[in-house]
Amino acid sequence: AQSVTQLGSHVSVSEGALVLLRCNYSSSVPPYLFWYVQYPNQGLQLLLKYTSAATLVKGINGFEAEFKKSETSFHLTKPSAHMSDAAEYFCAVSDHRTYKYIFGTGTRLKVLA
Amino acid sequence: DADVTQTPRNRITKTGKRIMLECSQTKGHDRMYWYRQDPGLGLRLIYYSFDVKDINKGEISDGYSVSRQAQAKFSLSLESAIPNQTALYFCATSSAQGSQETQYFGPGTRLLVL
Repeated sequence: AQSVTQLGSHVSVSEGALVLLRCNYSSSVPPYLFWYVQYPNQGLQLLLKYTSAATLVKGINGFEAEFKKSETSFHLTKPSAHMSDAAEYFCAVSDHRTYKYIFGTGTRLKVLA
Repeated sequence: DADVTQTPRNRITKTGKRIMLECSQTKGHDRMYWYRQDPGLGLRLIYYSFDVKDINKGEISDGYSVSRQAQAKFSLSLESAIPNQTALYFCATSSAQGSQETQYFGPGTRLLVL
């Protein structure tokens, strides 16, 4: 069965600092992986997705993620945090057979002034 | 206008009451999903539908039922609400292009069961 694990339910960074949100996956087949962001009182919005075309995936708002098969990871990064990045971030893997998403438990990012 | 809409956005109800949450989409997608979000648990799938005649249980379907009235509408019902169904509920849609397809989420319905 496929699954994702997000390490760190809460992450705090200073404004201008590097953002690193961790996601590890488990899958017996090449996975399709997604990062979503949820701003307060809003639904989830796609940041980026990996569908095997390229291991380094660039998304919206300056975020990117690198697929590393050897480490079974798909960590989300942003070189310089902005106050507007404060939100909850979810990693998800798509099941190839059922097309369902399996979500991680989420990481809440706090950006300190 | 939003592509995926949910009504109501907030609802307070009492234990034992029947309640329906509605979802509509204008994206023309065949697939629709209902999730619930609880703090620390992420999103968990309740039901999903790949077309009007196809309804499937997710990982936490007990206590819930759904109806796919049309391609664009997918409703979630709590036949007899209980307090542990207090949560944030999301509807999502995707096109039928494969497992790499993006899911598009509505704004959510915040439900409180007293």
